[in-house]
Amino acid sequence: QKEVEQNSGPLSVPEGAIASLNCTYSDRGSQSFFWYRQYSGKSPELIMSIYSNGDKEDGRFTAQLNKASQYVSLLIRDSQPSDSATYLCAVNPDGANNLFFGTGTRLTVIP
Amino acid sequence: DTAVSQTPKYLVTQMGNDKSIKCEQNLGHDTMYWYKQDSKKFLKIMFSYNNKELIINETVPNRFSPKSPDKAHLNLHINSLELGDSAVYFCASSGRPHNEQFFGPGTRLTVL
Repeated sequence: QKEVEQNSGPLSVPEGAIASLNCTYSDRGSQSFFWYRQYSGKSPELIMSIYSNGDKEDGRFTAQLNKASQYVSLLIRDSQPSDSATYLCAVNPDGANNLFFGTGTRLTVIP
Repeated sequence: DTAVSQTPKYLVTQMGNDKSIKCEQNLGHDTMYWYKQDSKKFLKIMFSYNNKELIINETVPNRFSPKSPDKAHLNLHINSLELGDSAVYFCASSGRPHNEQFFGPGTRLTVL
């Protein structure tokens, strides 16, 4: 069983719409959750972190965490063509020194 | 003021050669990592060092040998390069308590 699962997409949304990216994880003791954005040919860039149940908002980005369902999501409001990238979900299992990454969801925002 | 830096950015070499990639971080982190990202874009952990000590060593051929002279540096040496080693290699570092990782710009290795 994969530690972190994401829908690989591709996901296409029109400009101005809400993009919804989803991720599930298997380790129930996980404490820290992250979303990374990776543009083609570039390195992963940390855009959101969330540690407790509920929503966390940062500009157009909202991360949502539900530990009971082992589910974390990223919402991008007012999507822009510049948001087109691969989004990686990462989870830090309890006591672990590393992160487990999902395979990424490729998002395309259509002008 | 680069946080995590890697050299070289591109590396093109022949099969059978030995090459090294260097990584440095100025974030004061204790933990550093090497990842391999292949053509399918999956990010796979290779090694992790905490305070110069190896703590993660995934199933990687022993042709790959990491070296950490101090906690700000983690280098990767690859012996007898093979075609399948062609990939992008990322260095990363992380700090406590949440372990958020910050990545270097990557080294694109092409083995001919």
